[in-house]
Amino acid sequence: ELKVEQNPLFLSMQEGKNYTIYCNYSTTSDRLYWYRQDPGKSLESLFVLLSNGAVKQEGRLMASLDTKARLSTLHITAAVHDLSATYFCAVVLVQGNYGQNFVFGPGTRLSVLP
Amino acid sequence: DAGVTQSPTHLIKTRGQQVTLRCSPISGHKSVSWYQQVLGQGPQFIFQYYEKEERGRGNFPDRFSARQFPNYSSELNVNALLLGDSALYLCASSLVGSDRYFGPGTRLTVT
Repeated sequence: ELKVEQNPLFLSMQEGKNYTIYCNYSTTSDRLYWYRQDPGKSLESLFVLLSNGAVKQEGRLMASLDTKARLSTLHITAAVHDLSATYFCAVVLVQGNYGQNFVFGPGTRLSVLP
Repeated sequence: DAGVTQSPTHLIKTRGQQVTLRCSPISGHKSVSWYQQVLGQGPQFIFQYYEKEERGRGNFPDRFSARQFPNYSSELNVNALLLGDSALYLCASSLVGSDRYFGPGTRLTVT
């Protein structure tokens, strides 16, 4: 069974600071996604990481993937209040023909304080 | 282009009742997946349909069922509702093997 863990689960940080969210998963997968969710809203896709060593950056967020360690990181640089949200990583699990489901981590609830 | 649409937006039901949730995928997407997100948790996979056939099923009881129509829209049915079924139900559409695009969700409250 594929399990996905995130830490920390809760993160309170000050504006301007840097921090990293970690995502560990238990079995091999060829794709990992990061999503953002605002309260009461749906999931917004941030990054898809397709291979070992993949690194993607968008604004103050940078995601990386180490498939050998089964670890992905989401690094936040110089946080601003607008980044306050819950961040999920999701790992793709293949099931039979054409079957793919996403296994999500529990989420990291980020609060950026002024 | 229209994104994934879901209806209704909110729904309140009583224990023991049945509910049907609807999803329309992005035009051209033939795969639809359903996820349940309980408050404070990550989404949990329920079903995936591709070309009107079930391709994957999560660890949910038989009270949960779904189907996909010839136009690739989908319905999720839940029978004999329990309080624990209260959640945000998310539908996602995709091309095979590609990114999932999530809809706005249906908020189900069971009282």
